[in-house]
Amino acid sequence: NAGVTQTPKFQVLKTGQSMTLQCAQDMNHEYMSWYRQDPGMGLRLIHYSVGAGITDQGEVPNGYNVSRSTTEDFPLRLLSAAPSQTSVYFCASSFVGGGYTFGSGTRLTVV
Amino acid sequence: RKEVEQDPGPFNVPEGATVAFNCTYSNSASQSFFWYRQDCRKEPKLLMSVYSSGNEDGRFTAQLNRASQYISLLIRDSKLSDSATYLCVVNGMDSSYKLIFGSGTRLLVRP
Repeated sequence: NAGVTQTPKFQVLKTGQSMTLQCAQDMNHEYMSWYRQDPGMGLRLIHYSVGAGITDQGEVPNGYNVSRSTTEDFPLRLLSAAPSQTSVYFCASSFVGGGYTFGSGTRLTVV
Repeated sequence: RKEVEQDPGPFNVPEGATVAFNCTYSNSASQSFFWYRQDCRKEPKLLMSVYSSGNEDGRFTAQLNRASQYISLLIRDSKLSDSATYLCVVNGMDSSYKLIFGSGTRLLVRP
């Protein structure tokens, strides 16, 4: 099992560009979520999904879109990148009531 | 009040020491409790779940006090490799899927 796979690992964007961060899991988990973590800070929830076709906003959703067309995939789209979106992005998945398995993260810099 | 509160530390201890971290949570209906470990610039990894009766995994012991809404993690015989940030995690008010992460307690184990 690969677990949770995130791509790319590193990305540099120019202000105003859009891009999609990919997240895939092979554990048949219902729940998937995206977090961002700024230097020296805790995890902040961006968006989450409790199953295919169902998504909802977390605490910092502005500037991001998600979709969940399959159980396995949960891409995060940055609509128009801003320097404030420079961060490390983690995708996580779980069964209900279970602990999360995290991907290894995407380090994004917006210049 | 934050949903999950932790002392940020750092706790600076010599090898072989015993160290304890505490965490308080605000949702009295929470049912799922975990400790995660996060190394610098890496993804959080599940250290252990926390059960009502308390549980132990090698040098690590977790306790839950529902009456006081308090979770603890005890590390015995600290190793240099235990240096990391320890995250207290509790399921959120509105969902058994959504986990709320504390900001973490940093541990430094010195030779």
